[in-house]
Amino acid sequence: QVQLVEFGGGLVKPGGSLRLSCAASGFTFSDYYMSWIRQAPGKGLEWISYISNTGSSIYYADSVKGRFTISRDNAKNSLYLQMNSLRAEDTAVYYCARESVVTYLFDPWGQGTLVTVSS
Amino acid sequence: DIQVTQSPSSVSASVGDRVTITCRASQGISYSLAWYQQRPGRAPRLLIYAASRLQSGVPSRFSGSGSGTDFTLTISSLQPEDFATYYCQQANGFPITFGQGTRLEIK
Repeated sequence: QVQLVEFGGGLVKPGGSLRLSCAASGFTFSDYYMSWIRQAPGKGLEWISYISNTGSSIYYADSVKGRFTISRDNAKNSLYLQMNSLRAEDTAVYYCARESVVTYLFDPWGQGTLVTVSS
Repeated sequence: DIQVTQSPSSVSASVGDRVTITCRASQGISYSLAWYQQRPGRAPRLLIYAASRLQSGVPSRFSGSGSGTDFTLTISSLQPEDFATYYCQQANGFPITFGQGTRLEIK
């Protein structure tokens, strides 16, 4: 079945960096656009980045533009999020999600990985 | 940016009740709206897309309606597993935005 598994989260100091990965299985990864979406503790959902199936089109939310970089390796069925200059407000569960049959919608989602930015 | 505003932020209801949640977009988005369910400790799940189309596997007690700027999610007869948080999301373009969520609690 379709599965997305995120890993790479953890505790990092403000100003630090972290790289998240999302391993995809159960579908042809290279056919699908992918996104990262985050959720701060006790808060709502925030879309942060989107990449086309070939990686040729990329979009970011203003809150992470210039600090985060999304990428993918279709040969490895993997999605990545390089996070630099991390701030306390970046503390959240980070989900990777596959675009559904409808543009700009997400289904399914991974289980999420927690990133905590704290000194 | 298109803002989406949900109401209420929380609602208490009983098993068997009918519940309606609303979502308003800051500008017209045609039918480009989706609803997600998130149970505690779990990832969100797509319920409805294109304002009213039921995602495969979603029970028929869930329905959506609306177009333009005003949308609703209705659960016709609440079941115990429906107590969760619900989010709307506009799918009109970037940046993609979600409503702030509606927490559905057991009365």
